[in-house]
Amino acid sequence: AQSVTQPDIHITVSEGASLELRCNYSYGATPYLFWYVQSPGQGLQLLLKYFSGDTLVQGIKGFEAEFKRSQSSFNLRKPSVHWSDAAEYFCAVGSDTGGFKTIFGAGTRLFVKA
Amino acid sequence: SQTIHQWPATLVQPVGSPLSLECTVEGTSNPNLYWYRQAAGRGLQLLFYSVGIGQISSEVPQNLSASRPQDRQFILSSKKLLLSDSGFYLCAWEGSPNYGYTFGSGTRLTVV
Repeated sequence: AQSVTQPDIHITVSEGASLELRCNYSYGATPYLFWYVQSPGQGLQLLLKYFSGDTLVQGIKGFEAEFKRSQSSFNLRKPSVHWSDAAEYFCAVGSDTGGFKTIFGAGTRLFVKA
Repeated sequence: SQTIHQWPATLVQPVGSPLSLECTVEGTSNPNLYWYRQAAGRGLQLLFYSVGIGQISSEVPQNLSASRPQDRQFILSSKKLLLSDSGFYLCAWEGSPNYGYTFGSGTRLTVV
């Protein structure tokens, strides 16, 4: 069975600084990987996804993520953080048996300081 | 375009009372539908999923149940709420496996 770990419970960055949120997964085959963002009191929004092909994927809101098979990682990055990026970010991994086996990480809360 | 509606947004219910949360999807047919619960400060726990009308799979045994009476309607219910049922409930749909979820805006349930 697949699993996903987000090592950082919360991260604080200054506005304008770069951001990297870590995600490690465990899955025997090629995983389906996702990043979602959740603003307080709201549902989750899909930022980007990786299925195959180019290991660097671009998403919405200026985010990107890089799949590294050798490290079992799918870290989320943004070159310059805006105050509006403050939210909770979830990494998720799906299996090739279908989306109903998607597993979510515990989330990383991002704080942005002025 | 596809949209997902979830209501109510907030709900305060006494212990032992029934529950009904509704989720509907527009602009798509035969979606996979999901109910998740998010406890404070924790990740998402999959409660139920459905791949078609009347087809419900439960991931976690509890006093909740789900039904899918129509293709684009998914209902989460309970006959008697417990304090531990408090949380943020999210409905989601997926057009095809591993396409990525679209979530509703959630229901904040407080059982008192």
